[in-house]
Amino acid sequence: EAGVAQSPRYKIIEKRQSVAFWCNPISGHATLYWYQQILGQGPKLLIQFQNNGVVDDSQLPKDRFSAERLKGVDSTLKIQPAKLEDSAVYLCASRGPQVAGGSYEQYFGPGTRLTVT
Amino acid sequence: GQSLEQPSEVTAVEGAIVQINCTYQTSGFYGLSWYQQHDGGAPTFLSYNALDGLEETGRFSSFLSRSDSYGYLLLQELQMKDSASYFCAVTARGSTLGRLYFGRGTQLTVWP
Repeated sequence: EAGVAQSPRYKIIEKRQSVAFWCNPISGHATLYWYQQILGQGPKLLIQFQNNGVVDDSQLPKDRFSAERLKGVDSTLKIQPAKLEDSAVYLCASRGPQVAGGSYEQYFGPGTRLTVT
Repeated sequence: GQSLEQPSEVTAVEGAIVQINCTYQTSGFYGLSWYQQHDGGAPTFLSYNALDGLEETGRFSSFLSRSDSYGYLLLQELQMKDSASYFCAVTARGSTLGRLYFGRGTQLTVWP
């Protein structure tokens, strides 16, 4: 089965510009997550979708970040306008089957490394 | 809220055993997961503990003590390819659809 796909892999923009990231989860996975991973830190959840609905966007800076998953399959995360502190890797993940004990394994894409200058 | 503490770096030699500890504070604990991430790569799932005790998967084992809010990942027969960052992550009770809260990660370097 194909993994989580993301594009682009790298992006360099100037502050105040806009940028968009694309994610295609594993086929059939209804739950999709966007994470921000700053260098030297763990992934931080930005937004979580179940099919095409937002389940949790409490950590999303809504004044500049937006995300959508219109058809419940692929998703786009946008930053407008970008700030220097947005430099990070943006990871997309989709939720796999339930594992023993009741939790879920998340499958991550390779990420988009964003540099804001 | 949730907070997790793990060492920032660990080093070991090939063939050795290393233990990466994780302590957590959470408002309602459900389970503890471990993920591996190579430089420039995607995090990949290693293990999950919901109950006290040891879970073994090949060379990797994970332990949980709910009463101590503590867990560890044990890596045996270390290989060069095990050099990576290792993250513990909690699933909080009541969190939506398996949401994970990650620690800052432990950079493991394996020397020949």
